[in-house]
Amino acid sequence: SQTIHQWPATLVQPVGSPLSLECTVEGTSNPNLYWYRQAAGRGLQLLFYSVGIGQISSEVPQNLSASRPQDRQFILSSKKLLLSDSGFYLCAWSPDPRHTEAFFGQGTRLTVV
Amino acid sequence: AQTVTQSQPEMSVQEAETVTLSCTYDTSESDYYLFWYKQPPSRQMILVIRQEAYKQQNATENRFSVNFQKAAKSFSLKISDSQLGDAAMYFCAYRRRGGSEKLVFGKGMKLTVNP
Repeated sequence: SQTIHQWPATLVQPVGSPLSLECTVEGTSNPNLYWYRQAAGRGLQLLFYSVGIGQISSEVPQNLSASRPQDRQFILSSKKLLLSDSGFYLCAWSPDPRHTEAFFGQGTRLTVV
Repeated sequence: AQTVTQSQPEMSVQEAETVTLSCTYDTSESDYYLFWYKQPPSRQMILVIRQEAYKQQNATENRFSVNFQKAAKSFSLKISDSQLGDAAMYFCAYRRRGGSEKLVFGKGMKLTVNP
């Protein structure tokens, strides 16, 4: 069966520090991968999605970036965190373009102090 | 651009009763999917139910059912025999068929179930 792993679960980082959140999917190949952010009391905002290795589409211009170095690995990064980067980050995957729903990881609560 | 609107930020229901969560969306597409996701306090996003726009029949999953009104662009979720475990944030989501397959979410609604 397919599983998605996202880590760390919680993270407290100072302003200006770098960020690296990792997400991996097991039990499938060539998934579509997504990074969402959920600010307090708000819905989910799509940040990045990827349909293949090295293929990244950005939805919202900001100081975050994403990379997909391997088929089932998706990384969210920042060189210098801002206070406004605080939030709950969710990684998700879809099995293939014909599959309709997305499956989510456990999420990472990021607090920038 | 597609948008999803959940106009009720919070609702409450008594255990064992029925509650309906509303959702409207805006799209110029004719072929798409609609979803309801549940986010309990653990923050894990869980798919509750899915509706395909080309299907006129409303989707049903055990105690969960939808009322899909394509012309009105309305997609409500009915929870029957509410249970304490149903307490969560509920998100309505839209996804265009094909293309980039992005999920567009509403802002969510907090459901409280009273014992």
